[in-house]
Amino acid sequence: DTEVTQTPKHLVMGMTNKKSLKCEQHMGHRAMYWYKQKAKKPPELMFVYSYEKLSINESVPSRFSPECPNSSLLNLHLHALQPEDSALYLCASSQEGTGTGNEQYFGPGTRLTVT
Amino acid sequence: GENVEQHPSTLSVQEGDSAVIKCTYSDSASNYFPWYKQELGKRPQLIIDIRSNVGEKKDQRIAVTLNKTAKHFSLHITETQPEDSAVYFCAARWSSASKIIFGSGTRLSIRP
Repeated sequence: DTEVTQTPKHLVMGMTNKKSLKCEQHMGHRAMYWYKQKAKKPPELMFVYSYEKLSINESVPSRFSPECPNSSLLNLHLHALQPEDSALYLCASSQEGTGTGNEQYFGPGTRLTVT
Repeated sequence: GENVEQHPSTLSVQEGDSAVIKCTYSDSASNYFPWYKQELGKRPQLIIDIRSNVGEKKDQRIAVTLNKTAKHFSLHITETQPEDSAVYFCAARWSSASKIIFGSGTRLSIRP
């Protein structure tokens, strides 16, 4: 199984709402990632978890809060978002290490609209 | 700083012709260079990758070349087909961290 799944596929939320994005992989990967992608732009790294610990936070505003409950799951908690946060949010996973296993596999994404 | 430059931003080729996309990177210690294809509304999909101990890699109609001295790498697609139309992103793994940096993308269109 080389699939990363994400839920929901689409999400519309108001600026005062609290919502969560979910990501799951069953490939035994130990690194998981959150990316944000705006239209016609490359994916922009937000967070990296390595062995269930946060290893990289790319200076993301605190209204985005990641969580890694176990090695297969990754959540992104959203609170008090702004309209400019509307984007495609992509989850990815990879094996850990600097040699083989660098390949990142992406989920289908959650299309988020903040109203 | 961390940077991957990608050219061209758009590319239109006749079906059956070849397409070439070029990228340069700034971190001389980068050791892994993947290429992703993203169709409209879909996820980025890894199509080929190359590691720094290899100069060229081929998979059917797709090939990637790496010049470590010049710090650039290229994607070559031969005998292009309509289904090759997509946005292609190059990327480079940053040596000092467990992350990859993406190029800005190339929108490839195949003319029938």
